[in-house]
Amino acid sequence: DGGITQSPKYLFRKEGQNVTLSCEQNLNHDAMYWYRQDPGQGLRLIYYSQIVNDFQKGDIAEGYSVSREKKESFPLTVTSAQKNPTAFYLCASSNPGQEEKLFFGSGTQLSVL
Amino acid sequence: AQSVTQLGSHVSVSEGALVLLRCNYSSSVPPYLFWYVQYPNQGLQLLLKYTSAATLVKGINGFEAEFKKSETSFHLTKPSAHMSDAAEYFCAVRGPNAGKSTFGDGTTLTVKP
Repeated sequence: DGGITQSPKYLFRKEGQNVTLSCEQNLNHDAMYWYRQDPGQGLRLIYYSQIVNDFQKGDIAEGYSVSREKKESFPLTVTSAQKNPTAFYLCASSNPGQEEKLFFGSGTQLSVL
Repeated sequence: AQSVTQLGSHVSVSEGALVLLRCNYSSSVPPYLFWYVQYPNQGLQLLLKYTSAATLVKGINGFEAEFKKSETSFHLTKPSAHMSDAAEYFCAVRGPNAGKSTFGDGTTLTVKP
């Protein structure tokens, strides 16, 4: 079945540590996105990539980094510069077009030890 | 600029009762509008979308939404609530691309037996 796989489902970060969240898709989608979700809030865009080897900052990119070396993979690194990393992180993908919808992974819950 | 306002962060209905979740939007261009549902600890999945065709849009699980341009609204309804409808619902307006959609803060639907 085609879809988006995020791993791990739960992740714990120690102070000063960088952690990487994995996102893989087999939908052959060009575009991929990372969102942060905090309780009682909507989704906020961290980074997005519309094509391999290219990505742009979203609304809250500070303290995060990404890479897009392969079409199917878009890992997110939460760096030590992100002082409040505890949140639910969602990866999504889509294909370009006027009506394209987002396909979401099942998310990673990141907590600080 | 675009924005989405979901009226009511929590809605509680009895099983079998009408579900009404409210969404108002603002957009400088004809909007593409979406409703997504999120079950606990999972990603979002598309319920329905409006893309300038019929103003009454039918989605999955018996949900539908009506686009009213004069009221800038896109409220989600279901005639008879089921226990399995308990989840968080997000309204979104599409931006320049799908990933730059603007999401509302979400409405948590509780269904009482």
